[in-house]
Amino acid sequence: SQTIHQWPATLVQPVGSPLSLECTVEGTSNPNLYWYRQAAGRGLQLLFYSVGIGQISSEVPQNLSASRPQDRQFILSSKKLLLSDSGFYLCAWNQRGGRYEQYFGPGTRLTVT
Amino acid sequence: SQKIEQNSEALNIQEGKTATLTCNYTNYSPAYLQWYRQDPGRGPVFLLLIRENEKEKRKERLKVTFDTTLKQSLFHITASQPADSATYLCALDGEGGATNKLIFGTGTLLAVQP
Repeated sequence: SQTIHQWPATLVQPVGSPLSLECTVEGTSNPNLYWYRQAAGRGLQLLFYSVGIGQISSEVPQNLSASRPQDRQFILSSKKLLLSDSGFYLCAWNQRGGRYEQYFGPGTRLTVT
Repeated sequence: SQKIEQNSEALNIQEGKTATLTCNYTNYSPAYLQWYRQDPGRGPVFLLLIRENEKEKRKERLKVTFDTTLKQSLFHITASQPADSATYLCALDGEGGATNKLIFGTGTLLAVQP
């Protein structure tokens, strides 16, 4: 069966510090991968998605970047965090070829202080 | 751009009753619509997908309807239980089915009282 991992689970970082969140998927190959952010009381905002290694599409101009160095690994990064980067970050995957439902990881709670 | 509206007020119902949640969208008719459940501090969990040519979909105690004329989907939980208490998210395909990108609503919190 497929599983998706995210780490760390929680993170407290000062403003101006770098960020690296990692997501890995097991039990599947060639997945579509997604990064979302969920602010308190708001819906899920799609940040990045990827259909393959090195292929990243950015949805919202922001202080973040994403990379996909391996087929089942997706990384969210920032060089300098802002207070507004605080939120709940979720990684998700789905299978290419007509299966549209997405499967989410456990999330990372990021607090920028 | 596509917008999704879900009732932001919490829905409180008594155990055993049927819970009905609403999802309205404002722009183009999506190729499909999905419902997810999210518990506090957890990632959403996929529940049901309904396509534009389907009127109704069922899974155990769950039922989803899709009315493209009203631009609305209804999500029903019959014989509700306290364990059904969670936030339920509606999601639509972001580009008319051209990609796998989803647009999510803000969700409706359901509280089932014992």
